[in-house]
Amino acid sequence: GAVVSQHPSRVICKSGTSVKIECRSLDFQATTMFWYRQFPKQSLMLMATSNEGSKATYEQGVEKDKFLINHASLTLSTLTVTSAHPEDSSFYICSATDTNEQFFGPGTRLTVL
Amino acid sequence: GENVEQHPSTLSVQEGDSAVIKCTYSDSASNYFPWYKQELGKGPQLIIDIRSNVGEKKDQRIAVTLNKTAKHFSLHITETQPEDSAVYFCASNSGGTSYGKLTFGQGTILTVHP
Repeated sequence: GAVVSQHPSRVICKSGTSVKIECRSLDFQATTMFWYRQFPKQSLMLMATSNEGSKATYEQGVEKDKFLINHASLTLSTLTVTSAHPEDSSFYICSATDTNEQFFGPGTRLTVL
Repeated sequence: GENVEQHPSTLSVQEGDSAVIKCTYSDSASNYFPWYKQELGKGPQLIIDIRSNVGEKKDQRIAVTLNKTAKHFSLHITETQPEDSAVYFCASNSGGTSYGKLTFGQGTILTVHP
């Protein structure tokens, strides 16, 4: 199947700093990418839907000014957590679709100290 | 919006036994129901999916059944093996596509004892 990568796989940062997470579709062009957040022992919660060249659509309760999403090309979407705080510590997972199937990335573990 | 309930939250079986995980959904417009396996520290992997025009689908030791009238679907794993141990999530897509927005169940931690 198609491959979706995320970088970095783990990141530790200090409170107040910003962190960027990349999501790439390696062997297909992704018309849409999704960003999910997963807290320990919980399910995946959709944060936003990202379409190439347009603004992301955020789910209710997700602060768009805190979680900046850029989908500049059909193979790359980035999530920037601005002014991160300990409560933002979580597992962030992206998925990418090629209008036929949805493929998930391996996730990025963010720890904010 | 769509609400997906998943049971049980934990399931422990002996190697070789069968395991069944059940999910219910609320949106009658939902037409696509995938199941994912997630190992510790990794992203979810699609293991099987079913669409509303089909009542059952099987892939080797894994099967999924769907009852649209009752709005529930189930994952069946036969002849379980220790490597089946993981967290399993059901999901639904009210848009009916395999590539649209998904609503996930709460997850089931499956442990298969050798």
